[in-house]
Amino acid sequence: EADIYQTPRYLVIGTGKKITLECSQTMGHDKMYWYQQDPGMELHLIHYSYGVNSTEKGDLSSESTVSRIRTEHFPLTLESARPSHTSQYLCASSESRTGLEKLFFGSGTQLSVL
Amino acid sequence: AQKITQTQPGMFVQEKEAVTLDCTYDTSDPSYGLFWYKQPSSGEMIFLIYQGSYDQQNATEGRYSLNFQKARKSANLVISASQLGDSAMYFCAMREGSYNFNKFYFGSGTKLNVKP
Repeated sequence: EADIYQTPRYLVIGTGKKITLECSQTMGHDKMYWYQQDPGMELHLIHYSYGVNSTEKGDLSSESTVSRIRTEHFPLTLESARPSHTSQYLCASSESRTGLEKLFFGSGTQLSVL
Repeated sequence: AQKITQTQPGMFVQEKEAVTLDCTYDTSDPSYGLFWYKQPSSGEMIFLIYQGSYDQQNATEGRYSLNFQKARKSANLVISASQLGDSAMYFCAMREGSYNFNKFYFGSGTKLNVKP
């Protein structure tokens, strides 16, 4: 059902590397989100976007940055990865045109920083 | 204060039996939505069921039903006739707000294990 894609699915990198996690959706949704989730734990909102050229920080402070140059694309970048960034990152989108506004999730990126 | 509370970190249920996963929420907004998502071990989040704050009837989707008690601010998920494939983490979530940006809040999840 969901047309929202995240790449890579798994990423293992060394400390200090710059990484970009990709997220794309083909549903034309105006709102997009990044959540961070440790294993078996709740989801924490780290970034969101109302639409093109709109980005906001979420409830959980994160050293990552995001951009929204196109409606369908919402990449997340870490300039210098650290072991504390090891986590699962879930991208989601939603649209407010219909009565039911629910989150559609990508399959997630499991990031491990050594 | 926690917006969404799930008090059962883990639950066991026998295959083919029904199980109830608890969820309470906290909001002063009259317009909100309540959701349940399933997260298998593979990590993706799967939407299960939705209940709007103004909906009079409890939501149902196949084997899933949402026991919505507005005065008690609870939105429990009932899974009937459990299957082995139901073993997963289950998250209760709330969308707060009607206009502009709606914020979604998630509970800490309940890990459900279905025993054969």
